[in-house]
Amino acid sequence: QVQLQLSGPGLVKPSQTLFLTCNVSGDSIGSGNSYWTWIRQCPGKGLEWIGYIYFSGSAYYNPSLKSRVAISVDVSMNQFSLKMTSVTAADTAVYYCARDRSNGYFQMDFWGQGTLVTVSS
Amino acid sequence: QSALTQPASVSGSPGQSITISCTGTSSDIGGYNLVSWYQQHPGKAPKLIIRDVSDRPSGVSSRFSASKSGNTASLTISGLQAEDEADYYCVSYISSTTYGVFGGGTKLTVL
Repeated sequence: QVQLQLSGPGLVKPSQTLFLTCNVSGDSIGSGNSYWTWIRQCPGKGLEWIGYIYFSGSAYYNPSLKSRVAISVDVSMNQFSLKMTSVTAADTAVYYCARDRSNGYFQMDFWGQGTLVTVSS
Repeated sequence: QSALTQPASVSGSPGQSITISCTGTSSDIGGYNLVSWYQQHPGKAPKLIIRDVSDRPSGVSSRFSASKSGNTASLTISGLQAEDEADYYCVSYISSTTYGVFGGGTKLTVL
């Protein structure tokens, strides 16, 4: 069974950098079968696609976040990460990582548990 | 960014059928058979319930069905059950882009 385990701080100060890691088990990122995705959900709001990455390191981003976001992958560790700079209160959200097995067509079949990241001083 | 439009809320009684629409353009829903639907219960991660317009992944109840007509995709839930009360989101591939945009989400209330 594929499992995605999120880790990272639950509290980040404004203007600082948010860093989350998603560890994958039950599948190999290096197999090249999937895109590895970050999605967030601000309190009381809908889902927002942040971006995804392929095992090769090719990453694609939501244009509205592109200037502040970087997704990276570590095939040897079977994990991928999200870095978001210059965070504000508007970045407070539950962050999810997920597997997109559909060649990048947004069919996420396995999800991490989600982690609430609060931006506050 | 392209926007997919969903009704904010729908409701139905147990046993009834409801339909949730997701309206886009010819550059997304209308142009490709790459619409997916997600179900999200409060406090839980979303669950993929429909892919490629109308295909149900293994393990998803046959009470969930979906289709597309022109620029509008639709999710139908038949034989409504209390456990179907959740938020539902659509998403589609958008022509000449490499990013995803979810619909605004629809809250389903089972009366």
